[in-house]
Parts: sequence; structure tokens; C-alpha cells
Amino acid sequence: EADIYQTPRYLVIGTGKKITLECSQTMGHDKMYWYQQDPGMELHLIHYSYGVNSTEKGDLSSESTVSRIRTEHFPLTLESARPSHTSQYLCASMSSSTDTQYFGPGTRLTVL
Amino acid sequence: QKEVEQDPGPLSVPEGAIVSLNCTYSNSAFQYFMWYRQYSRKGPELLMYTYSSGNKEDGRFTAQVDKSSKYISLFIRDSQPSDSATYLCARVISSGSARQLTFGSGTQLTVLP
Repeated sequence: EADIYQTPRYLVIGTGKKITLECSQTMGHDKMYWYQQDPGMELHLIHYSYGVNSTEKGDLSSESTVSRIRTEHFPLTLESARPSHTSQYLCASMSSSTDTQYFGPGTRLTVL
Repeated sequence: QKEVEQDPGPLSVPEGAIVSLNCTYSNSAFQYFMWYRQYSRKGPELLMYTYSSGNKEDGRFTAQVDKSSKYISLFIRDSQPSDSATYLCARVISSGSARQLTFGSGTQLTVLP
């Protein structure tokens, strides 16, 4: 079983608030990813990192930002939440030896 | 054209049926394939991965890759209600140390008791 954690699991917040979604993994994986997924829809890559101090934007444009100061931690921040940010956010890390992505349980964000 | 196309479903089958889930891909670069299962309100979990053409079995699940036709399939034998989930195919292209992972849009499966 993969050791990748996301907090909070559910978040309901008002427009204009700054939020940070936490993602941590204890497997020592260098590569980490953030996906956005609307209900019943496909995964969209919004950010990824190949190691400490390395972050890149993904395929889907996002107003969020990420940081990678420690290998195990890859937080995602929205400076000013809007209703259009309502979605599920999934964090994943990848094993370099098997190229397998392991997903966290997700954070379901609702912006009112 | 999307790099990975997946039959969108939804698919509804009776318990015990054989289920076939399918994806096609467009890039011929060296790559391998994975199937993920995602239960409602959960993150995807890896079911199987395969590097080469042919079949790979794991219990009731068989992953099949046909590189000549760029077609990948997941078969579920003796399907159970607990198999009800969304199934995502994924393709990984390796280039040196870089890994590009692309997911299909997912097929929602319901197995009726």
C-alpha cells in the first residue's frame, strides 16, 4: 500500500480565501504530481516536480502554485480561491524504479 | 486527437460477466501501459502494468497490449459488484530520466448483483 497522504480531505471555503492543499509521501520518491479531476471526468495534470526545488506546470493551465522544498512534501496553493476552482485535487508520486504512480486519497475542494 | 483515447462508457454488466475495457493510443515511442481503478471519491490505485505486447494476467484481470494496432485492453473475468469503479488506462513514455504519463478519460463500470 502506498504511503501518500493528502490533507484536508474535504474543504469548503469562501471566495477570495488563500488555501494550501497538503501532500506528503514517505516513500522517498523524487517525482510528484498534482492532478485536477472533476466528477466523472478525466485527470488533468496541473503541476509536477522531478525533485527538490524543481517544479513545472502541467498540461492544464492552473492559477495554483506549488513548491518543493523537501522531497516528501509538495503543497499546492491557491492565493485567491474562486468557485471555478471547485474540483477534486489528486496528488501522486512516482517510483523511479517501476515508473508507477501512487495516488493520494484526494482533496475535494468547494469554493462558495 | 488525444494521445490516449478510452471508451467513455458508462458500462453496466450483470455479476459474473466478462468485461472488456479498451483504449487506443497514438504515439509509437517506446512506452508501457498501466490500468488504474478509481472508486468513487477516492484516488486511483494501480491495478496492472505491462511493458510489451501480449497478455498479462493477475487473478481475474488480464491486460492485453497490441502494439501493431495501438490498442490496449483490460479484461475482468467473473465480474463482481466490488469491481464497480472507474477504470483508467495510462501510458508512460520514457525518454532518459524523463517520464511522460498520460491518462485516458476513464470508463465507469457498474456490476449489478
